[in-house]
Amino acid sequence: GQNIDQPTEMTATEGAIVQINCTYQTSGFNGLFWYQQHAGEAPTFLSYNVLDGLEEKGRFSSFLSRSKGYSYLLLKELQMKDSASYLCAVMDSNYQLIWGAGTKLIIKP
Amino acid sequence: DGGITQSPKYLFRKEGQNVTLSCEQNLNHDAMYWYRQDPGQGLRLIYYSQIVNDFQKGDIAEGYSVSREKKESFPLTVTSAQKNPTAFYLCASSPLKENEKLFFGSGTQLSVL
Repeated sequence: GQNIDQPTEMTATEGAIVQINCTYQTSGFNGLFWYQQHAGEAPTFLSYNVLDGLEEKGRFSSFLSRSKGYSYLLLKELQMKDSASYLCAVMDSNYQLIWGAGTKLIIKP
Repeated sequence: DGGITQSPKYLFRKEGQNVTLSCEQNLNHDAMYWYRQDPGQGLRLIYYSQIVNDFQKGDIAEGYSVSREKKESFPLTVTSAQKNPTAFYLCASSPLKENEKLFFGSGTQLSVL
């Protein structure tokens, strides 16, 4: 079966750095997406990785290792507004998205 | 401003009742999707459509129906056959290109009275 694993919840301090991991087992691979979702709101796109390596976009970076079936989202200089759920999704060989359950990130002052 | 609009934000269903969730987009996207989100679970695909007057079942289509009469609109009906309808429903759209990101509506929370 296809599976995406993320930690359920993480806590970090304002101004710090946090890494949210995502491991996957899917039928084929056509890219990995990260979305941010505040409670009761729409998910918004953060990043897309299809090749191995690190993609940096301001305070957020995303890393992919296809051989390990592993990605992480790195958030730097954490702000209170970063408190949200972070969703990892993998596009399989049929170009269908398989979603993880999301990681709820709690930021403390 | 272009975007995708879902309504209503909150909806209550009585036993045996069908309810319809609205989804409209003005992004000129060909593809539209309906997902269901339950606590502790990933998004699950209900139905999707890549062209007007055509749609395909997703992983959990039983108890749901859709139509795509216009490119801009993709309403979802939750029928009385759906025995556990309480969930957060998300509509999304994307250009019909591989690996394109999804644009999501703000969601509808459906609860059973």
